[in-house]
Amino acid sequence: DSGVTQTPKHLITATGQRVTLRCSPRSGDLSVYWYQQSLDQGLQFLIQYYNGEERAKGNILERFSAQQFPDLHSELNLSSLELGDSALYFCASSSDRSNEKLFFGSGTQLSVL
Amino acid sequence: EDQVTQSPEALRLQEGESSSLNCSYTVSGLRGLFWYRQDPGKGPEFLFTLYSAGEEKEKERLKATLTKKESFLHITAPKPEDSATYLCAVQPYGQNFVFGPGTRLSVLP
Repeated sequence: DSGVTQTPKHLITATGQRVTLRCSPRSGDLSVYWYQQSLDQGLQFLIQYYNGEERAKGNILERFSAQQFPDLHSELNLSSLELGDSALYFCASSSDRSNEKLFFGSGTQLSVL
Repeated sequence: EDQVTQSPEALRLQEGESSSLNCSYTVSGLRGLFWYRQDPGKGPEFLFTLYSAGEEKEKERLKATLTKKESFLHITAPKPEDSATYLCAVQPYGQNFVFGPGTRLSVLP
């Protein structure tokens, strides 16, 4: 158990809908990262938050947004969903700003039908 | 552009048959190279961090090594429970992690 909790584990929705994925980092970790993993693209970095502030952006679509709350949990919001958004979404946390090793949650499997 | 490639894409071994996985990288400045193990339907699990050429790390049947251009993950006398996808990632200075596509390892009893 990595100590990172993601909910829900599975999500099935329709095109055009909006969903929210939730992540609770390991106790004491200030950094939260979101990754997307699909069969053809591997692990793609979406966005990083550090202690409530956005720290880095990767290949995140404009339809996607995230935030980190004062209690350090994070949410990834995906809107106007398309079939191609179907993937595993992982949250990871690390202990400090220098980006040491990542601890990953078990992921949310998103299926857009 | 920072890049990570891994080979082979998939590897099937008999139990006890040792082998190596390769991770090749191009990066402007390497802060660290990381190996993760990922089981189906689960998140990657951290294995090793290597920081400088010549460094080696060991854990049970796994040993990771690093040169200036590549890293190897050596698996000695593997067991079926070593079956997983092994991911390599680099962390350039001041940048986020860049993951490779992974090597799917199957160890047959």
